[in-house]
Amino acid sequence: QVQLVESGGGVVQPGGSLRLSCAASGFTFSSYGMHWVRQAPGKGLEWVAFIRFDGSNKYSADSVKGRFTISRDNSKNTLYLQMDSLRAEDTAVYYCAKSNYVPNYWGQGTLVTVSS
Amino acid sequence: QTVVTQEPSFSVSPGGTVTLTCGLSSGSVSTNYYPSWYQQTPGQAPRTLIYSTNTRSSGVPDRFSGSILGNKAALTITGAQADDESDYYCVLYMGSGIVVFGGGTKLTVL
Repeated sequence: QVQLVESGGGVVQPGGSLRLSCAASGFTFSSYGMHWVRQAPGKGLEWVAFIRFDGSNKYSADSVKGRFTISRDNSKNTLYLQMDSLRAEDTAVYYCAKSNYVPNYWGQGTLVTVSS
Repeated sequence: QTVVTQEPSFSVSPGGTVTLTCGLSSGSVSTNYYPSWYQQTPGQAPRTLIYSTNTRSSGVPDRFSGSILGNKAALTITGAQADDESDYYCVLYMGSGIVVFGGGTKLTVL
């Protein structure tokens, strides 16, 4: 069965960086696009970024453009989100999700807290 | 700026039927947007209920159904149960991997 396990969350100061990982199993990772989605405390779901199955194209939300970079290593079945210049408003649970045009299977999420 | 609209809250009686909707600030929702629906309870990851308008995910009870109603996507729960009390989110595919979530509907069963 599809399994997605996020890691790398934690507490970071404003302006700092963090890299999230998402380990995938139970499906042919190299055949599917992948999303990152986040949810701030008490708020709704917000799409963050998408990467095509082969990494050839990447798209991100305006709120993170120029600060966050999505990438993947198909040899390791792993998705990444490099987050730089973090702000307090980036505090959220970050989910990775397998794509079927839209997020389909979800991981359990990893919490990122940006605070001094 | 595309805005996906959902009712902020809804209530339904146990055993009743409720239809939640998912619209666009400008234009109509069609199957080309691959509308999908998620259920989320506090502290849990979203669970996919419906994808591609009306396909139920594995293990989802058939009391959940998806459709296009007029110019919106719709999620209908028939025979609501107490554990259907959750937040429900829709999402629309905008092309090139970009998706937009609705603000979510808080469903109360009472």
